[in-house]
Amino acid sequence: AQSVTQLGSHVSVSEGALVLLRCNYSSSVPPYLFWYVQYPNQGLQLLLKYTTGATLVKGINGFEAEFKKSETSFHLTKPSAHMSDAAEYFCAVSVYYGNNRLAFGKGNQVVVIP
Amino acid sequence: NAGVTQTPKFRILKIGQSMTLQCTQDMNHNYMYWYRQDPGMGLKLIYYSVGAGITDKGEVPNGYNVSRSTTEDFPLRLELAAPSQTSVYFCASSYGTANQPQHFGDGTRLSIL
Repeated sequence: AQSVTQLGSHVSVSEGALVLLRCNYSSSVPPYLFWYVQYPNQGLQLLLKYTTGATLVKGINGFEAEFKKSETSFHLTKPSAHMSDAAEYFCAVSVYYGNNRLAFGKGNQVVVIP
Repeated sequence: NAGVTQTPKFRILKIGQSMTLQCTQDMNHNYMYWYRQDPGMGLKLIYYSVGAGITDKGEVPNGYNVSRSTTEDFPLRLELAAPSQTSVYFCASSYGTANQPQHFGDGTRLSIL
């Protein structure tokens, strides 16, 4: 079964510093990978996704992620944190056949320090 | 441009009561899902549906029921509410292929006292 591991439930980053959130996946078939962001009292919004093709994926709000098959990773980065990036971030993996179910990681709560 | 709409946004129930969480989408998606979110645990799939009249269990279906009579609506029923069902519930929808993202509602915050 597919699964995702996100380490470090809370991540603190200084305003203007690099944001790095780690995601490792387990999948028996080529994965489709997603990062979602959740702002307080809201639902999840798609940040970016990897399906096929280019392994460096750019998303909204200046975020990007790189798919590395050899490392089974899909880490999320942003060069310079902004106060508005304070939110919870979830990595998820799907499969290219079946019922389009997602397996979510436990999430990273990002705190931005002024 | 409503997307996925969930009602109510907040609810407090007493132990043993029942209620229905409503979810409707206007994107003509075939697939719909119900998740629960507990602190530090990510999202767990309760039930999902691949089309009108077709539903299936997810990871944590006990204590819940669903129905799907139309493409747009996917209500979640709680029978005999228990404190363990205190959670935030999210409904989502998507097209039927795994490379398409799921679209989420804003959630229903449910407390069982």
